[in-house]
Amino acid sequence: GQQVMQIPQYQHVQEGEDFTTYCNSSTTLSNIQWYKQRPGGHPVFLIQLVKSGEVKKQKRLTFQFGEAKKNSSLHITATQTTDVGTYFCARLNSGGSNYKLTFGKGTLLTVNP
Amino acid sequence: KAGVTQTPRYLIKTRGQQVTLSCSPISGHRSVSWYQQTPGQGLQFLFEYFSETQRNKGNFPGRFSGRQFSNSRSEMNVSTLELGDSALYLCASSGQGFYGYTFGSGTRLTVV
Repeated sequence: GQQVMQIPQYQHVQEGEDFTTYCNSSTTLSNIQWYKQRPGGHPVFLIQLVKSGEVKKQKRLTFQFGEAKKNSSLHITATQTTDVGTYFCARLNSGGSNYKLTFGKGTLLTVNP
Repeated sequence: KAGVTQTPRYLIKTRGQQVTLSCSPISGHRSVSWYQQTPGQGLQFLFEYFSETQRNKGNFPGRFSGRQFSNSRSEMNVSTLELGDSALYLCASSGQGFYGYTFGSGTRLTVV
């Protein structure tokens, strides 16, 4: 269907190591959004990608949208303890009468100081 | 600018009861969505409102309902509560020209 699959489910790293989470879809995505949820918190919007091959950076975070618009990735360089949380990708269905986010299951990142 | 406000933050209800949750979106945001988050199912879409009209509904039973008022504030209601309704209920708002959603802190509902 219109699910987005996210891997890995969990990732534990030492502080300073890099981290990557992947989001895949069997169908072409019109867009992909990324959210971060800290433990005990709520999802916080990070970014939206809409163009094939798009790459966007936010400080140590790099977001990519695949050429075929069926996958996306979030890469964090030199992780810090403040990066701890669950990272979700989500597709936005919009237009007509269909306005909703379909979330992946998320990747829980833990960082050992 | 105030964020999305959800009340109450925590609720404990008994099976069979009903519950109403409230959400005040960011000022000027006319789209309000509701999501259910559980460890097993993750984040699942409940419904979305825009200018008091429900534009989309997720795959939840009819016990789950919602509405939006003229000031864009929204409520969701769950009737005949079941143990499986225990979850974090999140409200999110979005404004024109902005495609990311701003989530509230959520209401943690526990059904006993």
